Amino acid sequence: DTGVSQDPRHKITKRGQNVTFRCDPISEHNRLYWYRQTLGQGPEFLTYFQNEAQLEKSRLLSDRFSAERPKGSFSTLEIQRTEQGDSAMYLCASSRGGRSGVFNQPQHFGDGTRLSIL
Amino acid sequence: GNSVTQMEGPVTLSEEAFLTINCTYTATGYPSLFWYVQYPGEGLQLLLKATKADDKGSNKGFEATYRKETTSFHLEKGSVQVSDSAVYFCALLNTGGFKTIFGAGTRLFVKA
Repeated sequence: DTGVSQDPRHKITKRGQNVTFRCDPISEHNRLYWYRQTLGQGPEFLTYFQNEAQLEKSRLLSDRFSAERPKGSFSTLEIQRTEQGDSAMYLCASSRGGRSGVFNQPQHFGDGTRLSIL
Repeated sequence: GNSVTQMEGPVTLSEEAFLTINCTYTATGYPSLFWYVQYPGEGLQLLLKATKADDKGSNKGFEATYRKETTSFHLEKGSVQVSDSAVYFCALLNTGGFKTIFGAGTRLFVKA
């Protein structure tokens, strides 16, 4: 169990640029989640995948955001035309789930990507 | 809807003091409850969990009991250390759900 890995740890970019983050989940986990955390708040759910299928997206995820998990392993989160309000910590998590007898498994988090928009 | 409310911080304690961080929840169904800890510049680490009423989760001297009658999951530790300084998040995951709902977090400072 090598843990959830996120890259990069920090990203500084100018307003209007596109950014992409990567998440590598724990290898035996079939579920992958993206959350956003702003200063002084708890994480807020953005989207989740079961294997390669994106099954739920939050209303927080505007049209400028897109997430993929093409082979059911790593995932990418892209933000197009970044805005000041996108500055936050983007957290990825993974868990087992969705199979018979596997319920409410805790989500394991990576260290996050901190995005700063200039 | 589902929600988690936890006591506001910061909480400042001296080393070896007793810690309580209150957490109450609102949920449909029978959620699992969690405490996560976040150290500066890091992601969230699962501290402990409880999956049904009256379960007690424990880890590293921390413990919390799932109280369905009071919809609470208070975090306790008998003797805190400086290294326990961090932000603590109470969270719930509803049965068959996928979205973990977090409280706003409580920052703990422990002085030597």
